[in-house]
Amino acid sequence: GESVGLHLPTLSVQEGDNSIINCAYSNSASDYFIWYKQESGKGPQFIIDIRSNMDKRQGQRVTVLLNKTVKHLSLQIAATQPGDSAVYFCAVPMYSGGGADGLTFGKGTHLIIQP
Amino acid sequence: NAGVTQTPKFQVLKTGQSMTLQCAQDMNHEYMSWYRQDPGMGLRLIHYSVGAGITDQGEVPNGYNVSRSTTEDFPLRLLSAAPSQTSVYFCASSFGPGSYNEQFFGPGTRLTVL
Repeated sequence: GESVGLHLPTLSVQEGDNSIINCAYSNSASDYFIWYKQESGKGPQFIIDIRSNMDKRQGQRVTVLLNKTVKHLSLQIAATQPGDSAVYFCAVPMYSGGGADGLTFGKGTHLIIQP
Repeated sequence: NAGVTQTPKFQVLKTGQSMTLQCAQDMNHEYMSWYRQDPGMGLRLIHYSVGAGITDQGEVPNGYNVSRSTTEDFPLRLLSAAPSQTSVYFCASSFGPGSYNEQFFGPGTRLTVL
């Protein structure tokens, strides 16, 4: 079945530095990739997405990079702020593997901002 | 818009008890779903619905029932709670198919089964 893996469960960065959170996926048929942010005690919140026909997509202070050759994607956060402290999840559609209409989530990276 | 709302926020049950977790959305979304989140884990899909009257199973459906009588509401029922169902439950909704559209999540229900 579909799986989404993570490189680091915790990432600690200095305020103002750039953060890079990595994710790997198993299904080469995955055609859509999403990043969610989950603050403590809250539900996940959509950050940015990218389709498989793109290598890079930029949002406000965030960039997602997709490398389909090695089935890897990353989320880059520029000039990290205290409000960026959260758990970040990557997710892929279950459906692209012939599964249910929903998402398969990775285990998440906890981003800690050092003052 | 209130978005996606869930009640209760916290619940403690004894093994064998039943309960219903409520979920409602006011965005006129066709797609709704339930996920559970266990410590240190990502979210796992329990059940989903692509419209009123239509439900289907996700990755971990055992022990849970759902129904979708209206567009707005998507309750999750635990018929006989087990300690393995201790988790945080999130309801989500989206305009279109859940696999390819931004999901709007509720604040979660933290359930403990003793």
